[in-house]
Amino acid sequence: KAGVTQTPRYLIKTRGQQVTLSCSPISGHRSVSWYQQTPGQGLQFLFEYFSETQRNKGNFPGRFSGRQFSNSRSEMNVSTLELGDSALYLCASHTGRGNTEAFFGQGTRLTVV
Amino acid sequence: QKEVEQNSGPLSVPEGAIASLNCTYSDRGSQSFFWYRQYSGKSPELIMFIYSNGDKEDGRFTAQLNKASQYVSLLIRDSQPSDSATYLCAVYSGGFKTIFGAGTRLFVKA
Repeated sequence: KAGVTQTPRYLIKTRGQQVTLSCSPISGHRSVSWYQQTPGQGLQFLFEYFSETQRNKGNFPGRFSGRQFSNSRSEMNVSTLELGDSALYLCASHTGRGNTEAFFGQGTRLTVV
Repeated sequence: QKEVEQNSGPLSVPEGAIASLNCTYSDRGSQSFFWYRQYSGKSPELIMFIYSNGDKEDGRFTAQLNKASQYVSLLIRDSQPSDSATYLCAVYSGGFKTIFGAGTRLFVKA
C-alpha cells in the first residue's frame, strides 16, 4: 500500500511569486490535512479537506488556499510569497471516517528568498 | 495560553532509563490524543493514540491520559539511542482539526 506522496520535495521561490504543492493521500483515504512546520511554531494547521470540501481552516491569511480533487488528491497554493512562508509543508492523510490518526507525507521544503 | 503545551527540552536520559514526556491541553472537550515521533529531517510518524482515561501500553511505550487534569504523557521504557527524536503531542477536539504541540526533543545518551 503506497504511502502519502508529496511533490515537489524541495522548492526555492522568490518573494512575490506563487507556489502550488501537491499531496496524494493513501489509497482509500478521503481526508487530507495540511500543516506548516517551522522551528519556532511547530506544526500549524492550515486546512482539512474531505470529499472535495474544506471542513476547517486554520488562522492563516487568504494567500494560503487549497483544494481537493475527486480522487482525493489535494493541492495547496500560496500566493504572493513572503520570506516568512519558508517552512516545511506537511500533508496528512486520514481515512475521514471519524478517526483522526494522521499519516504524513515527507513534506515539501519551501524556501523563499 | 497555547492549546497544546509541551516542554521543548531537550530531555536527556541515559540508555536503558525511562523517558517521561508530558503534554497539557486547554480544551476540556478534547476527544483523542496522539503521540508522534519526528526524527530530524523526517516527517512525523504516529506511535501511540489514546482515547480513554488511564494507561495504554504498546511495547516499550505507555501513554497515560488524565482528562480531569487535562494531561497526557508518554513513557518510554528501556530508552535506546534510536529513540532520540522530537516527540509531538497532538489533540483532537472535533471540527476536523488536530492541534499539535511544539514538541519535546529527547536525547538518549549511549
